[in-house]
Amino acid sequence: GAVVSQHPSWVICKSGTSVKIECRSLDFQATTMFWYRQFPKQSLMLMATSNEGSKATYEQGVEKDKFLINHASLTLSTLTVTSAHPEDSSFYICSARKLGGQNTGELFFGEGSRLTVL
Amino acid sequence: AQSVTQLDSHVSVSEGTPVLLRCNYSSSYSPSLFWYVQHPNKGLQLLLKYTSAATLVKGINGFEAEFKKSETSFHLTKPSAHMSDAAEYFCVVRLKTSYDKVIFGPGTSLSVIP
Repeated sequence: GAVVSQHPSWVICKSGTSVKIECRSLDFQATTMFWYRQFPKQSLMLMATSNEGSKATYEQGVEKDKFLINHASLTLSTLTVTSAHPEDSSFYICSARKLGGQNTGELFFGEGSRLTVL
Repeated sequence: AQSVTQLDSHVSVSEGTPVLLRCNYSSSYSPSLFWYVQHPNKGLQLLLKYTSAATLVKGINGFEAEFKKSETSFHLTKPSAHMSDAAEYFCVVRLKTSYDKVIFGPGTSLSVIP
C-alpha cells in the first residue's frame, strides 16, 4: 500500500507555545508533500507545498513564519505551528505524492492531527 | 481558473437506495478528477480517479463515477447505500501548475438512514 502517518493525532497546548506535527510516508518515497487545514464541516484548504530539500511554497494568506514547514528527507515533512493561539486550533492533514507519481496526481493522506490551543 | 463545485452540501438517503453526489468542475483543459471519502476525524481515502482513460470509472466499495466533458461533470454514484457509507465526500481536481496542486470541492455530507 501507500501509507502516510501523522503524529500526533491529537495535541492540546497552551497559547504561546509551539507545536510540531510530523508527516511520514511509511512505505514509499515522497518528493512532494502537502499540508492542509480543515475547519469543522468545511473542505480542506491547502496551506503549503513541501518539496524535499527546498523551501516550501505557501499559499496566499498563509504566514510562513507562523507555519514552519521542513521536508528534510523523502519520507518526512514537519509542520510547526509557532506561538500558537486559539484561532490556530484546527484539523491539520498532510498528503504525499509517490516519487514518480506526478502523472497520476494521486495523493495519499495522513489521518490528520487535531490541534487545540487553550 | 480551475474550480470544483459540489452542488449539495448534504445528501440523505435510505439504506439500500441509490446514491448520487454531484460534482462539476471548471478547467481550461482536460483535468484529472478524484473522489475522496473522509470519515469523522480521519484522513481522506481515495474512492476513484479519472485520468483521461475510460470515462466511466469504477472505484472501491461499489462506487463509480462518469466523466462527462460536455457537462463538465464527474458525479459519484452507488446503486445501493450502506450504513458505512455515511461520511464526507470530496470531489478534487488536479491542476497542472508548476508544483501540481489539487483543489478540493466544498464537500458533500452523506447520511444514510436505516
